[in-house]
Amino acid sequence: QKEVEQDPGPLSVPEGAIVSLNCTYSNSAFQYFMWYRQYSRKGPELLMYTYSSGNKEDGRFTAQVDKSSKYISLFIRDSQPSDSATYLCAIEMEYGNKLVFGAGTILRVKS
Amino acid sequence: GAGVSQTPSNKVTEKGKYVELRCDPISGHTALYWYRQSLGQGPEFLIYFQGTGAADDSGLPNDRFFAVRPEGSVSTLKIQRTERGDSAVYLCASSLGGQSNEQFFGPGTRLTVL
Repeated sequence: QKEVEQDPGPLSVPEGAIVSLNCTYSNSAFQYFMWYRQYSRKGPELLMYTYSSGNKEDGRFTAQVDKSSKYISLFIRDSQPSDSATYLCAIEMEYGNKLVFGAGTILRVKS
Repeated sequence: GAGVSQTPSNKVTEKGKYVELRCDPISGHTALYWYRQSLGQGPEFLIYFQGTGAADDSGLPNDRFFAVRPEGSVSTLKIQRTERGDSAVYLCASSLGGQSNEQFFGPGTRLTVL
């Protein structure tokens, strides 16, 4: 079993839709939770970072962490074609140490 | 630009050859990370430097892989006797360390071993 599981998609939605992306993880020692966006042939770019259970909102993006279920989510409201990318969840056990990534979900927002 | 830079952007080599991949982190960032990303997968950790020393090299797949950061800034990932299975995008990231653990990624080096 992988430490972090993520459905690779692809997920195709119409412009303006609400998108839900999810990951599960196996090790309850993980403490820090991140979502990265990666455009084709580019490096990952940090979107959201959180370390506690609950919701964190930033513009159209909301990150949700449920440590009891070992489940993290990213919601994108009013999705735009420019949101089309691969979304990677990443989890860190110790502050400043390595990130463990999910496989990434490919998102396509159709105009 | 002030971001992480990596050179070359693309590298094609033949099986058995030696390659070096370079990473220039963001100025002032003390932590530097190398990851490898295969097609359709997320990045996979290779090695992490804090300053000049390797704080965690548990992700290096075997002794053909080696990385250095002699002056605590630029880092070089070295791969000896390359194999076709080494083909991937090699990503470098840096972070400020201290009170910030946000990792900023470079664009990667796409390595193809023929």
